[in-house]
Amino acid sequence: AQSVSQHNHHVILSEAASLELGCNYSYGGTVNLFWYVQYPGQHLQLLLKYFSGDPLVKGIKGFEAEFIKSKFSFNLRKPSVQWSDTAEYFCAVSRDDKIIFGKGTRLHILP
Amino acid sequence: DGGITQSPKYLFRKEGQNVTLSCEQNLNHDAMYWYRQDPGQGLRLIYYSQIVNDFQKGDIAEGYSVSREKKESFPLTVTSAQKNPTAFYLCASFDSYNEQFFGPGTRLTVL
Repeated sequence: AQSVSQHNHHVILSEAASLELGCNYSYGGTVNLFWYVQYPGQHLQLLLKYFSGDPLVKGIKGFEAEFIKSKFSFNLRKPSVQWSDTAEYFCAVSRDDKIIFGKGTRLHILP
Repeated sequence: DGGITQSPKYLFRKEGQNVTLSCEQNLNHDAMYWYRQDPGQGLRLIYYSQIVNDFQKGDIAEGYSVSREKKESFPLTVTSAQKNPTAFYLCASFDSYNEQFFGPGTRLTVL
């Protein structure tokens, strides 16, 4: 079945640590890729997106993601996390008419 | 101020009753979506509509129904056939650049 997999369900890091959240998808062909963030009690917000071109995408708040087509991956990275990055992160893939989300990764940053 | 509105924010219903969740957008987007968010499950697609008077089932459409009589509106009815209706429901619309915009959500509790 076509799906979006986020391998880490819950990640705990200390401030200033580096972050990498994994995302793999199983769709073939052309896809558009997204990372969304949901801070506690807030709406989903778009962090970054990839449609085409440079596979290294920079988003808001110092986040970036790299699209590796051969690995069907779109991992999210941040060199140095802050306490305010505590949130739930969702990877999503759009293809044709549909946008499918992963199950999310809860990130908890220790002060 | 463009955006997506969902009302009400919190909704309580007795078991066996149908309930309709409102979603309105003034972004002039053709495509609209309904998702259900449960802890640890991510966002799961219920129904989506690419154009007025047309809609398609998502991954978990059983027990739900929708209509799309106007471009601006995409109401979701949670019927008594939905076995586990208590959840957080998110409406979204999709622009021509393949980016989704989310409403604030409705938390439905069935007693």
